[in-house]
Amino acid sequence: AQKVTQAQTEISVVEKEDVTLDCVYETRDTTYYLFWYKQPPSGELVFLIRRNSFDEQNEISGRYSWNFQKSTSSFNFTITASQVVDSAVYFCALSEISGSARQLTFGSGTQLTVLP
Amino acid sequence: EPEVTQTPSHQVTQMGQEVILRCVPISNHLYFYWYRQILGQKVEFLVSFYNNEISEKSEIFDDQFSVERPDGSNFTLKIRSTKLEDSAMYFCASSAAGLAGFSYNEQFFGPGTRLTVL
Repeated sequence: AQKVTQAQTEISVVEKEDVTLDCVYETRDTTYYLFWYKQPPSGELVFLIRRNSFDEQNEISGRYSWNFQKSTSSFNFTITASQVVDSAVYFCALSEISGSARQLTFGSGTQLTVLP
Repeated sequence: EPEVTQTPSHQVTQMGQEVILRCVPISNHLYFYWYRQILGQKVEFLVSFYNNEISEKSEIFDDQFSVERPDGSNFTLKIRSTKLEDSAMYFCASSAAGLAGFSYNEQFFGPGTRLTVL
């Protein structure tokens, strides 16, 4: 069975600080996808990034970067120079390739508060 | 940009009543999903639907729940006799076809329907 763990329940930072959100996953599949979603106070789920298990290359996109390490089953997400608008709940999610419909398994989320 | 829409945005109902939550997936998508999020908790998969039948369902999706695609555009979730613990945000999502091999089509989420059972 697949499982996603986000050990950090809440994080507070001051604007312009860098912040890293941790995600650890469990899966029996050798092929899978990992995701980060953002849920602002308005409640919708906003897709941020998808990585597949074949691609361990880390990436930077603007102020966002990702660190995928298969050896430790971790998929961490970093925001550099945080802004107040980054305040939201961030969910890590996993989808295994097996199974016909690719359901997403979400972690419990990390509430990020960026203070001005 | 195409998006998933959901109605209503907020539904209040009495315990034991039936509710129908409605979703309009993105028009060329073929896979449809329902997830729920109890307040302050994680998002949980309920059911997936493809080719007019359920593909997968979680243990949450018991006999009180049903899904339907009554026409070419709507996708509905029905809860037959609501319980207090059904109070949650319900998200609809859809994804395109092309799941052969290792390709993946991401799920686009609607804005959610907040269900409050009194």
